[in-house]
Amino acid sequence: DAGVIQSPRHEVTEMGQEVTLRCKPISGHNSLFWYRQTMMRGLELLIYFNNNVPIDDSGMPEDRFSAKMPNASFSTLKIQPSEPRDSAVYFCASERGDTGELFFGEGSRLTVL
Amino acid sequence: DAKTTQPNSMESNEEEPVHLPCNHSTISGTDYIHWYRQLPSQGPEYVIHGLTSNVNNRMASLAIAEDRKSSTLILHRATLRDAAVYYCILTWQAGTALIFGKGTTLSVSS
Repeated sequence: DAGVIQSPRHEVTEMGQEVTLRCKPISGHNSLFWYRQTMMRGLELLIYFNNNVPIDDSGMPEDRFSAKMPNASFSTLKIQPSEPRDSAVYFCASERGDTGELFFGEGSRLTVL
Repeated sequence: DAKTTQPNSMESNEEEPVHLPCNHSTISGTDYIHWYRQLPSQGPEYVIHGLTSNVNNRMASLAIAEDRKSSTLILHRATLRDAAVYYCILTWQAGTALIFGKGTTLSVSS
């Protein structure tokens, strides 16, 4: 299995631009999670989905952030417009249903100038 | 959510056992204890989890106190590759989100 696949691995953009991060979960995993990590705040849960349905988006910082999961094999996290304080590593994870084990992608490092 | 308390940092020597403690005095009867670790520049990875009984796998052992108010992750022989941030997390069922704290930064010296 290829694991959780995230793209892009690195993105540098300018303030005000739209950013779209993508995630392909492990096949057969029914839950998907988006996390953000910074030195100051550590690992923060942004949103998670069960069976493609958003369950808890209380961690999404503000309306500039949105996430979708149109099908079981794809999710996006969009930031529009981006700001320098959005600079972070964004991780996607999917969950093995029978054990609750999370499998994380390698992350997308976002730098907003 | 029940919270966990871990030391900020610990040090170990290579090939020695490491005991990483975690306190969770407000744990509920249905909370599972999960351990994850994050190597430098990588996403977190699963280490082990348990409910009441001690658990062993190829990576580590998890010792859970009888009252479940604390647990200890045991690395039997630390290697340089075990240097990472170790997170102890409680969750009540699969399909609910893991909330990460600051974890314990483990340093391993040769």
